Amino acid sequence: NAGVTQTPKFRILKIGQSMTLQCTQDMNHNYMYWYRQDPGMGLKLIYYSVGAGITDKGEVPNGYNVSRSTTEDFPLRLELAAPSQTSVYFCASSYNRLAKNIQYFGAGTRLSVL
Amino acid sequence: DAKTTQPNSMESNEEEPVHLPCNHSTISGTDYIHWYRQLPSQGPEYVIHGLTSNVNNRMASLAIAEDRKSSTLILHRATLRDAAVYYCILRRETSGSRLTFGEGTQLTVNP
Repeated sequence: NAGVTQTPKFRILKIGQSMTLQCTQDMNHNYMYWYRQDPGMGLKLIYYSVGAGITDKGEVPNGYNVSRSTTEDFPLRLELAAPSQTSVYFCASSYNRLAKNIQYFGAGTRLSVL
Repeated sequence: DAKTTQPNSMESNEEEPVHLPCNHSTISGTDYIHWYRQLPSQGPEYVIHGLTSNVNNRMASLAIAEDRKSSTLILHRATLRDAAVYYCILRRETSGSRLTFGEGTQLTVNP
């Protein structure tokens, strides 16, 4: 039962570097999401996707890019990393958009930008 | 999305029941009430959800007020593993299935 898998678990970046956070799910879910969580705060939505080839912005999309070429994978790209992007990043998936639907979360990627 | 209000923190003793309150006075008729929890250093996990009637599952019970302006998550016998941040979230069909997280309630369980 893999569920939602995120890699890497931890990463330290220098200011201006770029990286891709990987997310894959094996539940054949149509919807996938990227959230970030700053210390002591709730999660904020960065981007989401309703299916392969379709993505849309959430609350805090600036500084990030996403793509969805397959149902399983939803990578998050950071270009020109900044200290404000130091956070824990969570990927999630759900079967559809219904309000009663459950979201399943990965274990997170802890990112520090120094 | 309608807003929810939860206490910042609560404490309980092991093997005692815990009642976690949530106020949502601006809830609309089609809003589902969801509860998620986040254990230390983990991603959130689903606990329970409901619309109008009280709900039970293996993890918890959800009691929804008759006017739906508040709800209570009930853990029947708290264990040390239940120590987590609990989030009460309203989900509306038109919000595109996103979850809007507040700051939640930090539950401490004392041995």
